Amino acid sequence: DVKVTQSSRYLVKRTGEKVFLECVQDMDHENMFWYRQDPGLGLRLIYFSYDVKMKEKGDIPEGYSVSREKKERFSLILESASTNQTSMYLCASSLSALNWGSPDLFFGDGTRLSIL
Amino acid sequence: SQQGEEDPQALSIQEGENATMNCSYKTSINNLQWYRQNSGRGLVHLILIRSNEREKHSGRLRVTLDTSKKSSSLLITASRAADTASYFCATPRDAGGTSYGKLTFGQGTILTVHP
Repeated sequence: DVKVTQSSRYLVKRTGEKVFLECVQDMDHENMFWYRQDPGLGLRLIYFSYDVKMKEKGDIPEGYSVSREKKERFSLILESASTNQTSMYLCASSLSALNWGSPDLFFGDGTRLSIL
Repeated sequence: SQQGEEDPQALSIQEGENATMNCSYKTSINNLQWYRQNSGRGLVHLILIRSNEREKHSGRLRVTLDTSKKSSSLLITASRAADTASYFCATPRDAGGTSYGKLTFGQGTILTVHP
């Protein structure tokens, strides 16, 4: 069974801390994503990676960075956590589609992060 | 940017009834996907419909796509309490990102099915 695993389901951190959210997929997918989900705002793309060491900014990259040193692992880093980064963070992965396709995204169960 | 918008925002029905959710989008697309999210969990892919398809079925799910109106609908027939979840439509963010799976999600419809 395919799996995207996020290291923590719940996390509480303090303002100003550097926070690491980890995501691992076991499907050999090229593409990995970080989304945040907030009530009334839906899912918003933070960062996207289409290969090891390659990354691309999404809609809301400010205050975040990412790291992809290995194909299976994609980390989201909050450089200096702030209360407005309290949210549900969802990691996803996909294969690149051939021709006229659009691949399915496989999601982890999310990390609910609270910044105090 | 939010490409897809679902309607209604919330839907409450009895077990056995049908549930219909709608999605509108703004730009041309070559496919549209629907996802489901159980409370506190990640999203799960349900179905993809291509722009040259009008209707697609998968079990109790029926999806339609009207590219002229830039809208799609998801119908769940004979609903069950276990169908209680949020449902999202998703469209490719841009032509270049289509093959990677870069998607824009709507805000979702919260479906509650009462036993």
